[in-house]
Amino acid sequence: ETGVTQSPTHLIKTRGQQVTLRCSSQSGHNTVSWYQQALGQGPQFIFQYYREEENGRGNFPPRFSGLQFPNYSSELNVNALELDDSALYLCASSLDRDLNTDTQYFGPGTRLTVL
Amino acid sequence: KQEVTQIPAALSVPEGENLVLNCSFTDSAIYNLQWFRQDPGKGLTSLLLIQSSQREQTSGRLNASLDKSSGRSTLYIAASQPGDSATYLCAAPNQAGTALIFGKGTTLSVSS
Repeated sequence: ETGVTQSPTHLIKTRGQQVTLRCSSQSGHNTVSWYQQALGQGPQFIFQYYREEENGRGNFPPRFSGLQFPNYSSELNVNALELDDSALYLCASSLDRDLNTDTQYFGPGTRLTVL
Repeated sequence: KQEVTQIPAALSVPEGENLVLNCSFTDSAIYNLQWFRQDPGKGLTSLLLIQSSQREQTSGRLNASLDKSSGRSTLYIAASQPGDSATYLCAAPNQAGTALIFGKGTTLSVSS
């Protein structure tokens, strides 16, 4: 157990809809990152939040957005869903924002299916 | 830009065999490299994290090595068991340290 939880476990949406995925980090962890893992691929970095501010972003369009709250919870929002957004979404938390010196702890993921 | 590659993509072995999974990375200026296990449809379980100052890390039947000069890491699994069947992923931080860059993984199947 990593102490990182995600909800919901599974979600089905239709193309064009909006979705919010939630993550609860380990207490005291100031950093949360989100990854998208398509079937048969490794996780791809979406963005990182540190103390409620976006601290880095991968190659994802602006319709992917996030929020981090002071109570160690966070959200990933995706607007105008596309079929290719179907994937496992993973959140990971860490004490610090520099993964060269710190370790991320991953949640179990949310499986999103877009029809 | 860091890129991580894993070979082979899939591997099938009989129970009891020793095996090696390979991971290569393009930017040798890494501070650490991590190996994960992923069961189908599940999240990531961290197996071993090797700091750049270390050459090896061991946990039970698992041994991971890191050679920065050649841009390679290996995960050695001794006396494989059916319960080892899973996808194994390696990952290294990007230059800014803001994200892990993952390989596509090696899917291991151990038959009894």
